[in-house]
Amino acid sequence: ETGVTQTPRHLVMGMTNKKSLKCEQHLGHNAMYWYKQSAKKPLELMFVYNFKEQTENNSVPSRFSPECPNSSHLFLHLHTLQPEDSALYLCASSQVGGRRGQGYTFGSGTRLTVV
Amino acid sequence: SQQGEEDPQALSIQEGENATMNCSYKTSINNLQWYRQNSGRGLVHLILIRSNEREKHSGRLRVTLDTSKKSSSLLITASRAADTASYFCADAPRPKGGSNYKLTFGKGTLLTVNP
Repeated sequence: ETGVTQTPRHLVMGMTNKKSLKCEQHLGHNAMYWYKQSAKKPLELMFVYNFKEQTENNSVPSRFSPECPNSSHLFLHLHTLQPEDSALYLCASSQVGGRRGQGYTFGSGTRLTVV
Repeated sequence: SQQGEEDPQALSIQEGENATMNCSYKTSINNLQWYRQNSGRGLVHLILIRSNEREKHSGRLRVTLDTSKKSSSLLITASRAADTASYFCADAPRPKGGSNYKLTFGKGTLLTVNP
C-alpha cells in the first residue's frame, strides 16, 4: 500500500449509469490529482485540488465531475460516459509548500470499462 | 503542451545487463522525476532530480540531467527480472505561483528483463 487508496479497483458501467470513483490518502498531503491513462497515450492530467480548492480543470468533459470534501478524500463522479472513456483512472497526492524534492504518491487506480 | 518523451518506447535485455532510458522535455523545469509502473497498477516514484543537479543516485538507479539539451537519462544497473515494468519521466515546470507543480508525463518505456 502506498498510502493512497482507490476504490473500486475495477468498474464496468453502462453509458446511462452514474457511478463514483473514490480516492483516500493518509499521508497528510494537501494536494490531490486525477489522471487518466489510456492505452498508447501519455497520462492525462484531469483535475488538481490544492487545499480542497480546484485549481485545474484540463478541459475535461462535464460528464466527469470531481469533488474534494476535505484534503484526504477525492471523488470522481461519472455519468453518461462514452466507450472511449474506458481507461485506468489514477489518483495521486503530494505535499505543496513543504519540503522540496517529493514526488507524487499514486493509488493503484480504477480500471473503468464503459459498455 | 510540455511533455516528457521517453526513448526507446520498448527495451528488452537480459538479467544482469544495464538498462538506459532517455527522456526529453520542452520548457524550463523545476525538477524532473522518474516513475515506474507495473502492469495495470499505479505509478511509483523512483527518483527526483532538481534543475540545478546533474546527477543523482539511488541504489541501482542513476539519473542524469542536461538542462542545456533538455534531456535526462535513467540507468538501471545489474537489472533483475523484477525490474520489468514501464518507466516514465515527468517534468515539473516552474510554477507560475505558489509552490505546487503539475507533472506532465511521457508515454513511457516498457522495459522487459529476461531471466
